[in-house]
Amino acid sequence: AQSVAQPEDQVNVAEGNPLTVKCTYSVSGNPYLFWYVQYPNRGLQFLLKYITGDNLVKGSYGFEAEFNKSQTSFHLKKPSALVSDSALYFCAEGSQGNLIFGKGTKLSVKP
Amino acid sequence: DTGVSQNPRHKITKRGQNVTFRCDPISEHNRLYWYRQTLGQGPEFLTYFQNEAQLEKSRLLSDRFSAERPKGSFSTLEIQRTEQGDSAMYLCASSSQGNEQFFGPGTRLTVL
Repeated sequence: AQSVAQPEDQVNVAEGNPLTVKCTYSVSGNPYLFWYVQYPNRGLQFLLKYITGDNLVKGSYGFEAEFNKSQTSFHLKKPSALVSDSALYFCAEGSQGNLIFGKGTKLSVKP
Repeated sequence: DTGVSQNPRHKITKRGQNVTFRCDPISEHNRLYWYRQTLGQGPEFLTYFQNEAQLEKSRLLSDRFSAERPKGSFSTLEIQRTEQGDSAMYLCASSSQGNEQFFGPGTRLTVL
């Protein structure tokens, strides 16, 4: 069965510093991996995906993620955090069609 | 706005009442999904349609829940005899086959 883990409930970063939000997955076969962001009282917004190809995936708002097959990880990164990046981030796996989400990581970027 | 829309945005009901939610997907998307999200958790899959066919239902979808997509366009999710444990955000998403899902703003259900 598929599963996704986000080991950190919250990540705190100072504005301008790099950020990493961690995600690991478990799936039989090749994974389809996604990152979504959720702002308060709004739906989930798609950031980026990995299906196949380059292990480094670039997405919206300057975010990128690195697929690591040996570590079964798909960590979300950004070189320089903005206060406006503060939100709830979800990693998801979708190789079976429906998405299996992690519990989410709250990112807080302080000025 | 050509994104996914959901109505109503909020619904407060008394235990035992029936409620129905509507989702209008992005028009060219043939797949439509329903998820449920409770506080502090990621969304959990409920069911999905390809065109008008309901292809998969989660074990979370008890017999009090029913979903339809009669013409392969909008979908409805009905909950009969609501319970307090049904209180959650109900999310709808749509996609073209094999591509990323785009989510609506959700319907927040509160069962008193």
